[in-house]
Amino acid sequence: QQKVQQSPESLSVPEGGMASLNCTSSDRNFQYFWWYRQHSGEGPKALMSIFSDGDKKEGRFTAHLNKASLHVSLHIRDSQPSDSALYFCAARSGGSNAKLTFGKGTKLSVKS
Amino acid sequence: EAAVTQSPRNKVAVTGGKVTLSCNQTNNHNNMYWYRQDTGHGLRLIHYSYGAGSTEKGDIPDGYKASRPSQENFSLILELATPSQTSVYFCASGETGGYAEQFFGPGTRLTVL
Repeated sequence: QQKVQQSPESLSVPEGGMASLNCTSSDRNFQYFWWYRQHSGEGPKALMSIFSDGDKKEGRFTAHLNKASLHVSLHIRDSQPSDSALYFCAARSGGSNAKLTFGKGTKLSVKS
Repeated sequence: EAAVTQSPRNKVAVTGGKVTLSCNQTNNHNNMYWYRQDTGHGLRLIHYSYGAGSTEKGDIPDGYKASRPSQENFSLILELATPSQTSVYFCASGETGGYAEQFFGPGTRLTVL
């Protein structure tokens, strides 16, 4: 079973619209959550991290974490064509564990 | 910004041949990782390392070996390449700790014919 599941697989929003991406994990050991973004032809790059319950806002991006339900979301307001990319949710357990577990990704297309 | 480089960027290999993918990082990170990316599977961890001389099996290690001869360098070795290993391979580095970000290289596209 995939330990980190993302939905939807793909998403299309108009320029200026709101994009909402979801992620659910099945491992209660996960304590640290990340969103990574990958533009076509490039390596993934960390977008945001969230480690505590609640919201974390960075510019147009807001991440929300609910540890009780193991649910993480990413909301992008005022979406721009440059936001078109593959978005990965990733999770890690505590301690010195170096491993990140990635979801399969959500492909976001922002149409101008 | 952390710098991770990979070589080669593109590689065509024959079935049964040996392939070595190289990764270098200049940020003195303890941990390094090799992933493969395939459509429908996301990023899957092959091998990782906590420091020079150490290698650990990831989630899909079969058919791959890894080598970490120094803090800066981490190699992925396919002793007997198969067409199923055709993929895009990413190397990453990062510090130890749950909060630590991983920094990815630009990827190597490997085709095994």
